[in-house]
Amino acid sequence: GDSVTQMEGPVTLSEEAFLTINCTYTATGYPSLFWYVQYPGEGLQLLLKATKADDKGSNKGFEATYRKETTSFHLEKGSVQVSDSAVYFCALKLGYSTLTFGKGTMLLVSP
Amino acid sequence: NAGVTQTPKFQVLKTGQSMTLQCAQDMNHNSMYWYRQDPGMGLRLIYYSASEGTTDKGEVPNGYNVSRLNKREFSLRLESAAPSQTSVYFCASNRAGGSTEAFFGQGTRLTVV
Repeated sequence: GDSVTQMEGPVTLSEEAFLTINCTYTATGYPSLFWYVQYPGEGLQLLLKATKADDKGSNKGFEATYRKETTSFHLEKGSVQVSDSAVYFCALKLGYSTLTFGKGTMLLVSP
Repeated sequence: NAGVTQTPKFQVLKTGQSMTLQCAQDMNHNSMYWYRQDPGMGLRLIYYSASEGTTDKGEVPNGYNVSRLNKREFSLRLESAAPSQTSVYFCASNRAGGSTEAFFGQGTRLTVV
């Protein structure tokens, strides 16, 4: 079945460091891809999405590019802030099916 | 903008007790979902409702029942709570279709002792 694999955390960075969180997927067909963020004590909220190959989603300085050839959707940010500390979930959705989530990657940013 | 509202936010149950988690959305979404979140396991789908009047099992439905009361409301019931059901529960909703984002509630933290 469809699945999403994310790098395990926690990822620990200093403020202003470069961030990459890897995400790869397996799907029968061409899914839409999403990154969700969960701040402490809150529900998930959409960070960015891409709906077809080579699309780049971006929001709040985060970016991810839909790479069909490598079945990947890695999340990047050039300079992280303490306020970016959260859990990040990669997810896919095929047509009218339900969302399939990765296990999440915790990011901890220190001043 | 309320979005997706879950009640209660916290609950402690004794083994064998029953309870219903409530969820309501005000975005006129067709589809609604219940997930549970456990450390190291990510989010796992318990049940979902693609549209009013329909419900389907997800990945981990055992021990749970759901009711899609109307288009706005989707409740999750634990008939006889077990310690293994200690978790954080999230309700979500979205419009139908492949690229539509899901909106999540704030979660219910349930502890079964």
